[in-house]
Amino acid sequence: AQTVTQSQPEMSVQEAETVTLSCTYDTSESDYYLFWYKQPPSRQMILVIRQEAYKQQNATENRFSVNFQKAAKSFSLKISDSQLGDAAMYFCAYTHTGEPSGGGADGLTFGKGTHLIIQP
Amino acid sequence: SQTIHQWPATLVQPVGSPLSLECTVEGTSNPNLYWYRQAAGRGLQLLFYSVGIGQISSEVPQNLSASRPQDRQFILSSKKLLLSDSGFYLCAWSRLRSSYEQYFGPGTRLTVT
Repeated sequence: AQTVTQSQPEMSVQEAETVTLSCTYDTSESDYYLFWYKQPPSRQMILVIRQEAYKQQNATENRFSVNFQKAAKSFSLKISDSQLGDAAMYFCAYTHTGEPSGGGADGLTFGKGTHLIIQP
Repeated sequence: SQTIHQWPATLVQPVGSPLSLECTVEGTSNPNLYWYRQAAGRGLQLLFYSVGIGQISSEVPQNLSASRPQDRQFILSSKKLLLSDSGFYLCAWSRLRSSYEQYFGPGTRLTVT
């Protein structure tokens, strides 16, 4: 079974600085996707960024970027120029894409989350 | 654009009472649909997923059930609630064999008393 581990229950960063959230995962699959989701106090889950396992290039979305190390099964999220609105729970998630139950039909496996605090 | 709705937003129910939570998706057809539960201070646990009308897969044995009576409607039910059913329930959708990301509804906070 796949597992996703986030070893940092809570992180704190000064506004405008950079913070990195860690995530490791365990899988025997070769084809999969990884995601970071943000859950603000409203509890709405918001997709931040995704990474396809077959792509070597790290994904980037504005101030958010990932460091994907496939051999090490590591998938960290870097937030640059932190803003007060970035304060939230951040969840790392995994899904495999292979048959027979792949094709996007399987659910996501989530880590337990990291609570990110932004200090003004 | 696609939107996903869940209701009710908040629910307080006594132990032993029935449950029905509804989720609907607009702006897309034949989506994959999912029910997750989030317990306090924890990540999301997949409960059910569906790839089509009447097709339900269960991930966790429990006293909950799911149904998909229409293409874009997903219902979570229970005949008799337990205290352990309390939590935050999230519905999500994704496109089949696409980019695999899932889009979540606003959630339902269920308290069983």
